[in-house]
Amino acid sequence: AQSVAQPEDQVNVAEGNPLTVKCTYSVSGNPYLFWYVQYPNRGLQFLLKYITGDNLVKGSYGFEAEFNKSQTSFHLKKPSALVSDSALYFCAVRDVSGAGSYQLTFGKGTKLSVIP
Amino acid sequence: EAQVTQNPRYLITVTGKKLTVTCSQNMNHEYMSWYRQDPGLGLRQIYYSMNVEVTDKGDVPEGYKVSRKEKRNFPLILESPSPNQTSLYFCASSLPQQGVTDTQYFGPGTRLTVL
Repeated sequence: AQSVAQPEDQVNVAEGNPLTVKCTYSVSGNPYLFWYVQYPNRGLQFLLKYITGDNLVKGSYGFEAEFNKSQTSFHLKKPSALVSDSALYFCAVRDVSGAGSYQLTFGKGTKLSVIP
Repeated sequence: EAQVTQNPRYLITVTGKKLTVTCSQNMNHEYMSWYRQDPGLGLRQIYYSMNVEVTDKGDVPEGYKVSRKEKRNFPLILESPSPNQTSLYFCASSLPQQGVTDTQYFGPGTRLTVL
């Protein structure tokens, strides 16, 4: 079975500082990995994804994520946080090599608060 | 405008009263899915559909039904709602490419309260 862990319920960072939101995953085969963001009272919006190729993936709003197969991690990063980045962030995984491979599993979410 | 719409956005109902939450997308997407979002549990997949007349269970299908008679619509049916189905529900769609589920587009959500 596939699973995702976001070990931090909340991350606080000062505006202008770099931010990291952690994600680790577990799949039996190869993973497809996604990050989504949810602003208050809104649906989820796609940020970026890793399918194959370069381990460093760049996405929307200046975010990037690094796929690390040995550590089974896909941490979300941004060099300089903005107050407007404050939101709930979800990591998601698909195991593309097993049964039910169209099922997407989300983590529990990490609330990011950027302090002015 | 490309979008996923859900109706109703808010619903308060009572235990046992059948209800349907509609979901529609105008992007000709093949893949559609329903999720529920609960505090501390994140998003959990209820059902998904790869195409018309093809549906599969997600992680938490108990108490829910779906149908996919047309590509654009994917209604979620609660035959006999119970209070533990009080939640925020999201519909999503995507266009599988080469068998890969691509970026999902989410609807605005339906907040359901079952008394």
